[in-house]
Amino acid sequence: GAGVSQSPSNKVTEKGKDVELRCDPISGHTALYWYRQSLGQGLEFLIYFQGNSAPDKSGLPSDRFSAERTGGSVSTLTIQRTQQEDSAVYLCASSPSGGAPVGQYFGPGTRLLVL
Amino acid sequence: KNQVEQSPQSLIILEGKNCTLQCNYTVSPFSNLRWYKQDTGRGPVSLTIMTFSENTKSNGRYTATLDADTKQSSLHITASQLSDSASYICVVSPQGSYIPTFGRGTSLIVHP
Repeated sequence: GAGVSQSPSNKVTEKGKDVELRCDPISGHTALYWYRQSLGQGLEFLIYFQGNSAPDKSGLPSDRFSAERTGGSVSTLTIQRTQQEDSAVYLCASSPSGGAPVGQYFGPGTRLLVL
Repeated sequence: KNQVEQSPQSLIILEGKNCTLQCNYTVSPFSNLRWYKQDTGRGPVSLTIMTFSENTKSNGRYTATLDADTKQSSLHITASQLSDSASYICVVSPQGSYIPTFGRGTSLIVHP
């Protein structure tokens, strides 16, 4: 595809349910980032994948959050036992390489609403 | 602590007018600074990127400036158009790190 894609575009769930958010990065990009954007807040770093290296999970807010990246391409962000404060836009970005993230390309985001 | 502060928080201007958005940062050591435009319901799109040695960068009607000594950047929009209505986000990356710091953005509304 031409850009980063994310699915679903919108997700409404009930408190306590698990959700999975998907990101398809640009083909060939080795670096992949997940961010969370809450209303009126700046983007919050969640997790970073670079090639086959162990991911940097330092931004995950709790152990209810986890992410995987299979085959160095598609990534899934999972939120278990969702809470209302998890409601936000979850953005994925990919980059041609790690290090200083020049040229991050963002997907359209998944808007998550926890009722 | 690395921080990026943007001002104003929101701005309303008339179509055709110019405007300037501000970004102050404390990120150190500095690597690069980027301005992104984020339309409602979409992901951010890069407008400009500047490294330490660059003090100005243009992209069409958008011109970014950087003063690395005072740790300030500005984004100037010339002859605004309705399609410029969006959030403009300043992002600063430190050297040796892949985790950038994002400002909260300036929400720009261009009225006809």
